[in-house]
Amino acid sequence: GQQLNQSPQSMFIQEGEDVSMNCTSSSIFNTWLWYKQDPGEGPVLLIALYKAGELTSNGRLTAQFGITRKDSFLNISASIPSDVGIYFCAGQWNSGNTPLVFGKGTRLSVIA
Amino acid sequence: EADIYQTPRYLVIGTGKKITLECSQTMGHDKMYWYQQDPGMELHLIHYSYGVNSTEKGDLSSESTVSRIRTEHFPLTLESARPSHTSQYLCASRGWNIQYFGAGTRLSVL
Repeated sequence: GQQLNQSPQSMFIQEGEDVSMNCTSSSIFNTWLWYKQDPGEGPVLLIALYKAGELTSNGRLTAQFGITRKDSFLNISASIPSDVGIYFCAGQWNSGNTPLVFGKGTRLSVIA
Repeated sequence: EADIYQTPRYLVIGTGKKITLECSQTMGHDKMYWYQQDPGMELHLIHYSYGVNSTEKGDLSSESTVSRIRTEHFPLTLESARPSHTSQYLCASRGWNIQYFGAGTRLSVL
């Protein structure tokens, strides 16, 4: 089945630093989604990507759909304490008739 | 803003009890999902539905069951809860390639 490798598994950074995380797939995807989950809550969609090479921003967040269609990355600039949480990537490899494949998450801790 | 609701948010029950976790969405989405997640860990798909009267098992084997009698409603039932069922259960629905999650139900079985 489809597999997503998300890295790093966890990160400890200083407030104000930039953060980068990525996901790679064993197969070609046609959609990439990035979510953030706060403790005790459900994941919230941050950015959706639909075209190879697409670069999309949402405030301090920027995500890109890799040219090979097998990877995506998420950058957070100038991190703040409220960026703490788990970030999940998710991909879709067909027209949408199968469930999304999720990465195992990147756990971000921000030290003030 | 996602219009998907889960109740209860928290549930503490004794072993052997039957429970139903509720999930409703007002977006008219056909596709709905249930995930099981231990704190801070990855998401495991346990059930999904493509529409009314459609239910499928997910990647993680689960003793729970689901039903889809109405588009907006996708409840999950445990006939006899056990401590191993202690976890967070997340419901989601999807429309046009965007999937929205509910806030989750944190279940503790004593």
